[in-house]
Amino acid sequence: NAGVTQTPKFRVLKTGQSMTLLCAQDMNHEYMYWYRQDPGMGLRLIHYSVGEGTTAKGEVPDGYNVSRLKKQNFLLGLESAAPSQTSVYFCASAGLAGGGELFFGEGSRLTVL
Amino acid sequence: KQEVTQIPAALSVPEGENLVLNCSFTDSAIYNLQWFRQDPGKGLTSLLLIQSSQREQTSGRLNASLDKSSGRSTLYIAASQPGDSATYLCAVGGDTGRRALTFGSGTRLQVQP
Repeated sequence: NAGVTQTPKFRVLKTGQSMTLLCAQDMNHEYMYWYRQDPGMGLRLIHYSVGEGTTAKGEVPDGYNVSRLKKQNFLLGLESAAPSQTSVYFCASAGLAGGGELFFGEGSRLTVL
Repeated sequence: KQEVTQIPAALSVPEGENLVLNCSFTDSAIYNLQWFRQDPGKGLTSLLLIQSSQREQTSGRLNASLDKSSGRSTLYIAASQPGDSATYLCAVGGDTGRRALTFGSGTRLQVQP
């Protein structure tokens, strides 16, 4: 079972470059999320989606954009990367059933030089 | 704004010991609480999910309790093993509309053989 898959798993960028992280889930889940995790801190919500074609801001959305053109995919974009965006990014999904249980991907480690 | 606190931040115990990890949250209006395990450099693995109407959940050597009125949850690990060494994260769901979780910073557990 694939579950939630994130690509790429590692990436190094220079300040000002752009990139897109892809999250794909095969569980037909309605809800999808992007979190970031920094040392000593819990995960913080960047953006989320409650269904295909919808997106909304979380706690720390600045500098990021997202799109959910297909139900199974949730893309996180960095238009102009900054060193403060060096982090580990996690994608998660949840279904309408299941009591709100979230399922996470393995993470994408991004370094911005 | 919901805040989730986990105490202690780190814990080292000898193998075989029973232990309790604590989680507290400031807003008792939650609809669920989820405990996760995270191994170094890895994603989050869901351990237990407690709905707001439940008092506890059990899975093998793990037992999680929830006291909404006091804003507390505990994760009890019986007969700890070196393989239990990981970071344990507590997260609460406070908005049924978006179903996102608010995370604590985690407790890093080391079980000594």
